[in-house]
Amino acid sequence: DTGVSQNPRHKITKRGQNVTFRCDPISEHNRLYWYRQTLGQGPEFLTYFQNEAQLEKSRLLSDRFSAERPKGSFSTLEIQRTEQGDSAMYLCASSYQWGYEQYFGPGTRLTVT
Amino acid sequence: QQQVKQSPQSLIVQKGGISIINCAYENTAFDYFPWYQQFPGKGPALLIAIRPDVSEKKEGRFTISFNKSAKQFSLHIMDSQPGDSATYFCAASTGGSQGNLIFGKGTKLSVKP
Repeated sequence: DTGVSQNPRHKITKRGQNVTFRCDPISEHNRLYWYRQTLGQGPEFLTYFQNEAQLEKSRLLSDRFSAERPKGSFSTLEIQRTEQGDSAMYLCASSYQWGYEQYFGPGTRLTVT
Repeated sequence: QQQVKQSPQSLIVQKGGISIINCAYENTAFDYFPWYQQFPGKGPALLIAIRPDVSEKKEGRFTISFNKSAKQFSLHIMDSQPGDSATYFCAASTGGSQGNLIFGKGTKLSVKP
């Protein structure tokens, strides 16, 4: 069991650029979650997938954000036209379909300059 | 509206002492209450979790106490060690068809040698 992996670990981009992050969940997990964590705060839910279906999106997920999980395995989170307020740690977690335990990856730290 | 309130914001404990972190929730539909440990630059790691049908759960030096009527739960770390120094987050979810976690704002624990 290799755990949840995320790439890249760090990303620095200029305001207005697009960025894409990747998450590889634990292989047998059906559910995949994206969270955002800003400094000094707990993670905040963005969206989640069950297999390839995106079942819920938070109001935090503006139109500039899009997430996919095309084959029910890895997922990507894209942010278009980045803003300084998008600077945060983006965390991915996975779980079994009917399991409660969510296991987090190491996160991708985004800095928008 | 903050659905999970965590206190204290920071905590300093001597090595060998007991660390106690408290959380309160509002949504009576929550049925899963995990605690996560997070080191700087890392993703949250699941530490211990409880369901509302039990009042206490112990795993090693970590114990969750749960008070359903008061809508409160707490984490106790016995024999605290310098290696326990981290940020701890409580969380709650309704599981089932949703399952996204609602996190508290975190408690930064420092264990002094």
